[in-house]
Amino acid sequence: GENVEQHPSTLSVQEGDSAVIKCTYSDSASNYFPWYKQELGKRPQLIIDIRSNVGEKKDQRIAVTLNKTAKHFSLHITETQPEDSAVYFCAAIHSGNTPLVFGKGTRLSVIA
Amino acid sequence: GAVVSQHPSRVICKSGTSVKIECRSLDFQATTMFWYRQFPKQSLMLMATSNEGSKATYEQGVEKDKFLINHASLTLSTLTVTSAHPEDSSFYICSAPGGGLGEQYFGPGTRLTVT
Repeated sequence: GENVEQHPSTLSVQEGDSAVIKCTYSDSASNYFPWYKQELGKRPQLIIDIRSNVGEKKDQRIAVTLNKTAKHFSLHITETQPEDSAVYFCAAIHSGNTPLVFGKGTRLSVIA
Repeated sequence: GAVVSQHPSRVICKSGTSVKIECRSLDFQATTMFWYRQFPKQSLMLMATSNEGSKATYEQGVEKDKFLINHASLTLSTLTVTSAHPEDSSFYICSAPGGGLGEQYFGPGTRLTVT
């Protein structure tokens, strides 16, 4: 089955700097890659996603890149703000009715 | 967007008792729902897939007789933790597929504490 690896497990950046989180997946059939932000005690919140037919997607300060050949995808957050501090999870899935496979998460701390 | 609710949001029970958690899709039908468990500072781990009208499928290592799943209708799935023990204390989250190519809608989660 699918296996998703995520790095780093913790990341501290100064406010205004960029943060990058990387994930790799094992199943070449996976075709949807969402990123979630989770605050303590809350449900995961979808912040951006990318499908396998696209190499890059951007939404304001957040972008995701996908390299299908290498089977890795990355989350980029620019101009980080303290409210970006949270745990971020990547995930992969290969069809609409199958469950998400999550990475282990990255705890991002943005230091003011 | 689609809304998934969960009840209760928080429950404390004594060891040996059973607890039922409900997951509802409020404005759409869900023939499939997923149940995840999340221990502190860990990722979401799939426990089981709930299928309306048929038996749930459980992930390896998840005891089907301990974690009873019933998908009673197209909008309701329930997870019952039977004979709960302190090690079952966790954050339980359900989700339902959105009908697209992978979007899923998460419930708000249930914090279970077994004393």
